[in-house]
Amino acid sequence: GAVVSQHPSRVICKSGTSVKIECRSLDFQATTMFWYRQFPKQSLMLMATSNEGSKATYEQGVEKDKFLINHASLTLSTLTVTSAHPEDSSFYICSAPLRTGLQETQYFGPGTRLLVL
Amino acid sequence: AQSVTQLGSHVSVSEGALVLLRCNYSSSVPPYLFWYVQYPNQGLQLLLKYTSAATLVKGINGFEAEFKKSETSFHLTKPSAHMSDAAEYFCAVSPNDYKLSFGAGTTVTVRA
Repeated sequence: GAVVSQHPSRVICKSGTSVKIECRSLDFQATTMFWYRQFPKQSLMLMATSNEGSKATYEQGVEKDKFLINHASLTLSTLTVTSAHPEDSSFYICSAPLRTGLQETQYFGPGTRLLVL
Repeated sequence: AQSVTQLGSHVSVSEGALVLLRCNYSSSVPPYLFWYVQYPNQGLQLLLKYTSAATLVKGINGFEAEFKKSETSFHLTKPSAHMSDAAEYFCAVSPNDYKLSFGAGTTVTVRA
């Protein structure tokens, strides 16, 4: 089946630095990808929709200057957490849809755990 | 707006016993409903989804879920638990096929 990868799987950084997380669709193309954030024991919350070749669409309450999204190719979207602070520590998950016929299925990456010290 | 509530953050069952995971939703439009499973260090995998066709939806690995509009529920069941069913399970709702709102998840452990 379709595979979505994320890199890195874990990252620890100092407060004030920026961290880039990559999301790749390995065997299919995705003009749209989605970024989620998950706090411990809580739901996955949709942060933004990444659109290939155009600006990302952010959900209400998500700071677009804080979470920079770039979807430069049909297989890669990146999320950059700028000037990270401890409250940005979380589990970040991406997904990419694959349409086969009339069916569209979301394929999720394994997630990236960010810890900001 | 759509939201999902999963009742019970942790469920423990004996191998061979019934697995029942509860999910209630709220939606302002006819919803798409999903169950996903997440194994350790892996991405979410779709178990099944409801898209206004049959109310009883059969998924992979022997799981099924029943859409009950009157109860706004979409509970997930499996008649006989297997050790390999130990994982985190997420219920999700969407107004379409891709913009998902997830529940908090339910961790399933299976006792030998």
